Parts: sequence; C-alpha cells; structure tokens
Amino acid sequence: DVKVTQSSRYLVKRTGEKVFLECVQDMDHENMFWYRQDPGLGLRLIYFSYDVKMKEKGDIPEGYSVSREKKERFSLILESASTNQTSMYLCASSLCPPGSCTDTQYFGPGTRLTVL
Amino acid sequence: GNSVTQMEGPVTLSEEAFLTINCTYTATGYPSLFWYVQYPGEGLQLLLKATKADDKGSNKGFEATYRKETTSFHLEKGSVQVSDSAVYFCALGADFEGGSQGNLIFGKGTKLSVKP
Repeated sequence: DVKVTQSSRYLVKRTGEKVFLECVQDMDHENMFWYRQDPGLGLRLIYFSYDVKMKEKGDIPEGYSVSREKKERFSLILESASTNQTSMYLCASSLCPPGSCTDTQYFGPGTRLTVL
Repeated sequence: GNSVTQMEGPVTLSEEAFLTINCTYTATGYPSLFWYVQYPGEGLQLLLKATKADDKGSNKGFEATYRKETTSFHLEKGSVQVSDSAVYFCALGADFEGGSQGNLIFGKGTKLSVKP
C-alpha cells in the first residue's frame, strides 16, 4: 500500500514564524501536491511538483514556498506565518510514468496548523 | 475552465436510508472522475473512480456512473451505516496540453451524518 506521511498532526505557531511542513511518500511517485482545506472552500491546491527540484504554482501559492530535494520528500514552507494561514494542510502523491500520468492521488493524514 | 459542483451539505440520514450526493462537472476532453472520502480526523481516501463515459465505479456499497450526456457523477448507496459518516469529495482529473499531469480539481465536499 502507498503510504504518505506528514511530520505533524497538529502544530501551533506564532505570527511571523517560519514554518516547515514535511511530507514523505514511500512509493516512488513522481508527483507530489500540497493542499489546504478550509470549511466551505474544499481543497485548494497550493503547489505541486512533478519531479525533483521542479515545482509549479497551484491556485493559491501566495505566502508559501516549497522544496523538493529528494523524490520522496516534499516540503511546504510558510516564510512568515500569518493568522489567515491557520488551516488543515494535506499532502498527496501520484504516479506519473513517462507519457501518461495517473490521476489517483494518495493523501497523508493532514497537519492542522494554528497560527496565533 | 474545468470545474466540479457538488451538492452542499450537511446531509443527515437515518441508518439504512438511501443516499445520493449529486456531482456535476464542466470539462474539456475526457477526464477521469473520482469520489474521495474523508473520515473524521483523517486525510482523503479514494472511494471510487471512473475513467470514461458510462463506466460505473463501485466500492464498499457505493456506486457512481460517469454520465457524459448530463456531465454528472452522482454518488449513491442503497443503505447507509453510521460508519459512513464522513465528508465526500467529487473530483475530476485536470487535463493539460499533451495529456494529464495528474492534477485533480475537487468539489467543496459534502458532509454526511448518519444517525442510528
């Protein structure tokens, strides 16, 4: 089974802090994604990466950056956390062999971040 | 652009009742369609999928049929259980030029509560 793990289930940070959210997948998937989930808004894509050191902006990249130094690890960085970044953050991965990506994404358990 | 619209919740049913959660989509091309489920405190899990018109996805007693003529992918279950209480997300694969990159577009989610 595919396993996607996230470094923390719950995190509390203060405004202005730099925050790192880590995600690791163990199935050699090419694609990795970061979403945030908010009530009434569903899932919104922040960034995704289709290869090591590659990244693409999603729908709401402002205030975030990402890092993918190794294939299995995709980090989300909040350079200076703000209260409006309080949310549930979900990481996902999917298989994307050359020529044809599969759409099925596998999700981690989520990190509930509170910024005070 | 591509989009997904699903019925707003919350939906409250008694055990053994029939469930329908409506989902319609707008898309160019022939995207795959998905239902994901999120149990309390967890990440999203793939519930079922369909990859072409008239396909029926099924899992755990849930079914959904890819209807191209009505651009719909409604989720149904004949007899719900308390353990089905969760948030359900409809999603479609987002095609890009040259084929899918594995991105998904999600609906806003429908919360289902099943009472004993």
